[in-house]
Amino acid sequence: GNSVTQMEGPVTLSEEAFLTINCTYTATGYPSLFWYVQYPGEGLQLLLKATKADDKGSNKGFEATYRKETTSFHLEKGSVQVSDSAVYFCALIANDYKLSFGAGTTVTVRA
Amino acid sequence: GAGVSQSPRYKVAKRGQDVALRCDPISGHVSLFWYQQALGQGPEFLTYFQNEAQLDKSGLPSDRFFAERPEGSVSTLKIQRTQQEDSAVYLCASSLEGLSNQPQHFGDGTRLSIL
Repeated sequence: GNSVTQMEGPVTLSEEAFLTINCTYTATGYPSLFWYVQYPGEGLQLLLKATKADDKGSNKGFEATYRKETTSFHLEKGSVQVSDSAVYFCALIANDYKLSFGAGTTVTVRA
Repeated sequence: GAGVSQSPRYKVAKRGQDVALRCDPISGHVSLFWYQQALGQGPEFLTYFQNEAQLDKSGLPSDRFFAERPEGSVSTLKIQRTQQEDSAVYLCASSLEGLSNQPQHFGDGTRLSIL
């Protein structure tokens, strides 16, 4: 079956630090890959996506590149802000419509 | 509103009671999904509708769970004879056509607590 494994948290950083959250996947066929973010007290929001190998998704300073050879989709941001504190979920859809999520990584950015 | 709307935001029920959770998707979205998110976990798929047709209910944990979307818009997830293990956040999502490369837009969820 399809599965997503992401870096366990929590992750605590200082403002302007570099953030990486690792995500690897197992899937049949060629999945579409997503990062969702959940800010405190809010619902899941799509952060970025990539639908084929070597695609780079980007949004709000975050980037992730679809690496088929390593089955990975790591999330990066060069300089985090306090407002980036949230739970980040890596997810995929493979051959159908069901999103399969990782367990989530809690990120806290200190001023 | 422009987004997916869910109600109630919070629901507390005693074990054995029936509950009904409502989802109002984005206008014009054909596909509607329900997910269950346990504490500290990622969401897990429950069921999928395309318009009023329930095409997949493989994720429903038991026959106590029932979902409907009778007019192809608003959907209701009903849980009968609730049990403590049903405590979770129930998320509704909608997408334009349900294709794998289209994003699913989520509501804020209903946090269900069974006492």
